Amino acid sequence: AQSVTQPDIHITVSEGASLELRCNYSYGATPYLFWYVQSPGQGLQLLLKYFSGDTLVQGIKGFEAEFKRSQSSFNLRKPSVHWSDAAEYFCAATDNAGNMLTFGGGTRLMVKP
Amino acid sequence: EADIYQTPRYLVIGTGKKITLECSQTMGHDKMYWYQQDPGMELHLIHYSYGVNSTEKGDLSSESTVSRIRTEHFPLTLESARPSHTSQYLCASSEFRGAGGEQYFGPGTRLTVT
Repeated sequence: AQSVTQPDIHITVSEGASLELRCNYSYGATPYLFWYVQSPGQGLQLLLKYFSGDTLVQGIKGFEAEFKRSQSSFNLRKPSVHWSDAAEYFCAATDNAGNMLTFGGGTRLMVKP
Repeated sequence: EADIYQTPRYLVIGTGKKITLECSQTMGHDKMYWYQQDPGMELHLIHYSYGVNSTEKGDLSSESTVSRIRTEHFPLTLESARPSHTSQYLCASSEFRGAGGEQYFGPGTRLTVT
C-alpha cells in the first residue's frame, strides 16, 4: 500500500539553527512529492514540490528539499530557522494517476528563542 | 494566485442543529476535497469530487454529506451536529489532470458542537 511517513512528531530547534524534517514514502514508482506548512488555525500552504529532474528543489520561505530515490526520502531543510517557522509540516505524495494525495502524519516544529 | 474560500471560519453550535460549511474556489478546478483534522493531528479525507454531480466518500467514515452542483462550490452538510463532530474541516481543490495532483487549501472551518 502507498504510504508517507514522517518519523518525527515533534522537533524543537533554536532560532538560527539549521533544520531537517524527515519524510519517507512507499510507492511502486517515483511519486510526485510535496511539502506543506500549516500555521495554527490555518489551512495548508504549499512550500515546494518535486515532479522530476533536479533532485534538490527550492521552495518558498527559504526551504529546500532533496529527493533521494535510494532512500525513498524527501527531507525538508532550512539553513537558519526563524521564530515564524514554528508550525506543523506535512509531507505528501501522489502517483499522478489521478489519485488522491497521501499525507504523512505531520511534524510539529517549535522554535526556541 | 490560488483562491479557495471557506465560511464560516469559526462556528459554535448546539447538538442536533443542521449546519452547512461552505467552500468555494475561483480556479476552475474539477477536483475538490474535504478533510477533517483534529488539533495537531493528521488530515483525514472524508469526501471528494471529480466534478459536477460527482461525490465520493473518503478514507474516514463521516456522517456528513456533500454536493457538487456547480464547479466552484462544494458545501458540506451535517444534518444533526453532535459533539463528536467537533473538529477542523479543510477544503481543497486541484486540477483534474496535470500539476501532479497538487492541492490548494482553504483556511479551514473550526467547528465546535456543544
